Amino acid sequence: QSALTQPPSASGSPGQSVTISCTGTSSDVGGYNYVSWYQQHPGKAPKLIISEVTKRPSGVPDRFSGSKSGNTASLTVSGLQAEDEADYYCSSYAGSSHWVFGRGTQLTVL
Amino acid sequence: EVQLVESGGGLVRPGGSLRLSCEASEFTLSVFWMSWVRQAPGRGLEWVAKIKQGGSERYYVDSVKGRFTISRDNAKNSVFLQMNSLRAEDTAVYYCARVSGGWTFDYWGQGEQVTVSS
Repeated sequence: QSALTQPPSASGSPGQSVTISCTGTSSDVGGYNYVSWYQQHPGKAPKLIISEVTKRPSGVPDRFSGSKSGNTASLTVSGLQAEDEADYYCSSYAGSSHWVFGRGTQLTVL
Repeated sequence: EVQLVESGGGLVRPGGSLRLSCEASEFTLSVFWMSWVRQAPGRGLEWVAKIKQGGSERYYVDSVKGRFTISRDNAKNSVFLQMNSLRAEDTAVYYCARVSGGWTFDYWGQGEQVTVSS
């Protein structure tokens, strides 16, 4: 399976909204509602912030939201805060008990 | 708080072997599928392997099939990754992750560095 396509970088000022895209195919993103998003700060383990396209785990601020249209999923971070500066990865179930990840997007808070 | 703690990494020569361990605590390991995910230096995440609750089903990314084996010992709250015939491209931080609902990785360990170099 090929990695999902994410923009390498994104940025926004505090208080603004930023959307990160994640493009796959009909065999992964488009075929299942099992897209997740992970936040990773430097030197730390990834942290789940969105599961099943739109679900936010307990403790994740509602500033984080997910959506999907066709073969592209999106993560929106509203009301940007300094601590949101991190790498963000999408992943999707790809059938046959396999998963595929995106290459990651580095989010900078200006 | 759910905890996953990896160990067993290190420096190994090409063609060598390593066995990673992941000790789980604060949840019942036998209820969950478990996975290993790796991250090569400066690169993104890559799913490596997955194992069913009782160990009867195991799945691997194509690049490690025949070389890596995932296993588990629920009585010892542990998951393992036996890595044989290691290659330079296997160099990465390896994370143990719990699979929630069958579809997402909801808790991750802190990661274990594996370096394959002569």
